[in-house]
Amino acid sequence: DAGVTQSPTHLIKTRGQQVTLRCSPKSGHDTVSWYQQALGQGPQFIFQYYEEEERQRGNFPDRFSGHQFPNYSSELNVNALLLGDSALYLCASSLGGGRGTEAFFGQGTRLTVV
Amino acid sequence: GNSVTQMEGPVTLSEEAFLTINCTYTATGYPSLFWYVQYPGEGLQLLLKATKADDKGSNKGFEATYRKETTSFHLEKGSVQVSDSAVYFCALSEGLTGGGNKLTFGTGTQLKVEL
Repeated sequence: DAGVTQSPTHLIKTRGQQVTLRCSPKSGHDTVSWYQQALGQGPQFIFQYYEEEERQRGNFPDRFSGHQFPNYSSELNVNALLLGDSALYLCASSLGGGRGTEAFFGQGTRLTVV
Repeated sequence: GNSVTQMEGPVTLSEEAFLTINCTYTATGYPSLFWYVQYPGEGLQLLLKATKADDKGSNKGFEATYRKETTSFHLEKGSVQVSDSAVYFCALSEGLTGGGNKLTFGTGTQLKVEL
């Protein structure tokens, strides 16, 4: 079982550019969540996708958008990048989404905005 | 809103010492509680969880008990090893209106274990 895989592992972008991050969930999982982890901080919830729909959203601007494909893989898009968007972006997958559900995390994509 | 507060690190211990990392939470409902661990350069791994009051989660010698009366979920280990050096995150999860859930994390506590 490959677990949750994310690509790319590292990325450097310039302010104002757009970026797309990708995530393949653990086999059998149907729910994908994205988190942003700034240096020295805990992860912050961006949004969650289920059945190709955004089910829940955290306190992030509309510059952050996503998509889930029929095979449950997901993309995170960030437009008009700001220096403050530099962070580790984590994808987590789960089966369903009850409050006790275990989320499995990928290794993350380290985004640096210069 | 929901929040999680953890003791600040870094926590530095000698091998075989006893570990406690404090975690308290604020939640509007009845959350599940988790401890995740992050090793350098890696994503988060679930260490243990508890879904109701007085439940004890345990794994790899680590334990934590869900204390609803004190809104706490402190992490303990009787004898730490150098390989336990990592950042530990306490988190809560509540089911959300419309389905789904989200994890709310603390800021993390870095543990360094020395020989």
